[in-house]
Amino acid sequence: GQSLEQPSEVTAVEGAIVQINCTYQTSGFYGLSWYQQHDGGAPTFLSYNALDGLEETGRFSSFLSRSDSYGYLLLQELQMKDSASYFCAVRGQAGTALIFGKGTTLSVSS
Amino acid sequence: NAGVTQTPKFQVLKTGQSMTLQCAQDMNHNSMYWYRQDPGMGLRLIYYSASEGTTDKGEVPNGYNVSRLNKREFSLRLESAAPSQTSVYFCASSDRGMDTEAFFGQGTRLTVV
Repeated sequence: GQSLEQPSEVTAVEGAIVQINCTYQTSGFYGLSWYQQHDGGAPTFLSYNALDGLEETGRFSSFLSRSDSYGYLLLQELQMKDSASYFCAVRGQAGTALIFGKGTTLSVSS
Repeated sequence: NAGVTQTPKFQVLKTGQSMTLQCAQDMNHNSMYWYRQDPGMGLRLIYYSASEGTTDKGEVPNGYNVSRLNKREFSLRLESAAPSQTSVYFCASSDRGMDTEAFFGQGTRLTVV
């Protein structure tokens, strides 16, 4: 089976940096993805890591360590609009479905 | 470009009633998925279809059936709705070859009373 663990809630203030961790257990591995969801709307793709290391996309970065079955999403220069739920997701192998973690609710305050 | 379209957006059913949730994508994606989202449970996979003509069970398939009608459409059917199926249902699609990003519909909010 496959399972992912991430914190349920994180709080931070505007302008700060926050890191959301994700550990996973899968029978195979074909990449770790991150999705953002605002107020129960459609989840939207943020980033994808297939190989170890850091991927940077603007204020957001994602890191993967396959040997540790661990990744994180780093959000910098937090803004109020970053308040949302963030999900990590894995594929066990190419062509199979994404399996999601339970999500981390990020609250950004002024 | 509409992306992934789900209908209906809201639905209330009585216990025992049946209904079909419709999903269509216009991105020529091979793979399509149905998830349900409940508070504190994240997105749980119900069924997926890796390509036209194939379907596979996910984590929580009991009480549901699916049909991959063609490459564009993937429907989810509740034969006899139960209160435990009250949830938000999301359809998604992805390009199997790229295997990176999934695109989601806006969701169907289903209440079974």
